[in-house]
Amino acid sequence: GAGVSQSPRYKVAKRGQDVALRCDPISGHVSLFWYQQALGQGPEFLTYFQNEAQLDKSGLPSDRFFAERPEGSVSTLKIQRTQQEDSAVYLCASSSTGGSYEQYFGPGTRLTVT
Amino acid sequence: QKEVEQDPGPLSVPEGAIVSLNCTYSNSAFQYFMWYRQYSRKGPELLMYTYSSGNKEDGRFTAQVDKSSKYISLFIRDSQPSDSATYLCAMSISGGYNKLIFGAGTRLAVHP
Repeated sequence: GAGVSQSPRYKVAKRGQDVALRCDPISGHVSLFWYQQALGQGPEFLTYFQNEAQLDKSGLPSDRFFAERPEGSVSTLKIQRTQQEDSAVYLCASSSTGGSYEQYFGPGTRLTVT
Repeated sequence: QKEVEQDPGPLSVPEGAIVSLNCTYSNSAFQYFMWYRQYSRKGPELLMYTYSSGNKEDGRFTAQVDKSSKYISLFIRDSQPSDSATYLCAMSISGGYNKLIFGAGTRLAVHP
């Protein structure tokens, strides 16, 4: 079956531009996570949704980062006024329930801010 | 200091070798311990999962958790070139949802 998909796979933005990154989770998965992976590092938690409710946004680095999941399926991570330090791979993961240990990751969106 | 420490390597071994990958952690509240494999330009995929202390075996892979030492290991037997990837340890606190805390990842190269 279809896994988690993310688009675009690659995004180049000029410093100061806004970007929107999309995640399509596995159908029926209640939980959705966003992670940020800097080069040579492990993923770092950004935010968590249970259905359409954003229950944890403690990992968002600044108020320039905003995530939504309005209908409890597709999610969008938006970054306003991008900075060079935002350059990273943004990973989306979904799981059938919040308590499930198995998170299925998408391929990520590689964001480069020039 | 990070909550989860992992030697980034790289680690280069010949085909057929036994590989040992390790992580240490500082938060004693961690209860779930996982190993993910990540190929270049792909998302992580779950390899092994262990709850609390103990060992778990799955084919050529064995995961060990020693909570008293705050130390976890992944062993790969009879390593293959297809095992060449970055291996990430991940941990979470029980209850609620599984917000994963990852190590930096160890890059492994298995050469024929």
